[in-house]
Amino acid sequence: DAKTTQPTSMDCAEGRAANLPCNHSTISGNEYVYWYRQIHSQGPQYIIHGLKNNETNEMASLIITEDRKSSTLILPHATLRDTAVYYCIVRLLPNRDDKIIFGKGTRLHILP
Amino acid sequence: DAGVIQSPRHEVTEMGQEVTLRCKPISGHDYLFWYRQTMMRGLELLIYFNNNVPIDDSGMPEDRFSAKMPNASFSTLKIQPSEPRDSAVYFCASSFSAPGLAGVATKNIQYFGAGTRLSVL
Repeated sequence: DAKTTQPTSMDCAEGRAANLPCNHSTISGNEYVYWYRQIHSQGPQYIIHGLKNNETNEMASLIITEDRKSSTLILPHATLRDTAVYYCIVRLLPNRDDKIIFGKGTRLHILP
Repeated sequence: DAGVIQSPRHEVTEMGQEVTLRCKPISGHDYLFWYRQTMMRGLELLIYFNNNVPIDDSGMPEDRFSAKMPNASFSTLKIQPSEPRDSAVYFCASSFSAPGLAGVATKNIQYFGAGTRLSVL
């Protein structure tokens, strides 16, 4: 089953780029990589997704390695409002053997 | 679109009482998910529906929990009787299964509501 590994927590200075890594070494060829974040007391918020190519939207950029075994979410100019838990996910529907969709994520602290 | 709408936002009840949480998914979405979040267990999937039909309810903790989706625009999660350990934030999410690249599995991006914070005393 495709699962992800993320650091438990990270710090980033305000105004700098925040680079959040994710390992998904068992990802299947037809599985997307999705990123969500959850700001305290709010519902998880979709950020971005990708398959093979790097992706960019108004919120972030997603860099996926050529072998697709890892990816990095980049917040180009982090602000205090980016303080949140960030989740890297490769399957948004559970299957028989794996009911976990959202793992523990990375708690990102933006430092003033 | 207003997004996924959940009600109530906060619910305080006494042990043994029935609790009903409500969710209105985004119009046009064909999947609906119920999650529970606690500090200890994180974000857990309880049940999900596709086209109003329950597909997987293996995450529902006990028979005290039940969920229905009578139509495409409404779902309920009911706890009867409620217990203090049911205290948590309950989220509803909806998604639309969209074809990905040719030959690749569909995308299924979930959009979440603001949640219902349940306290059972």
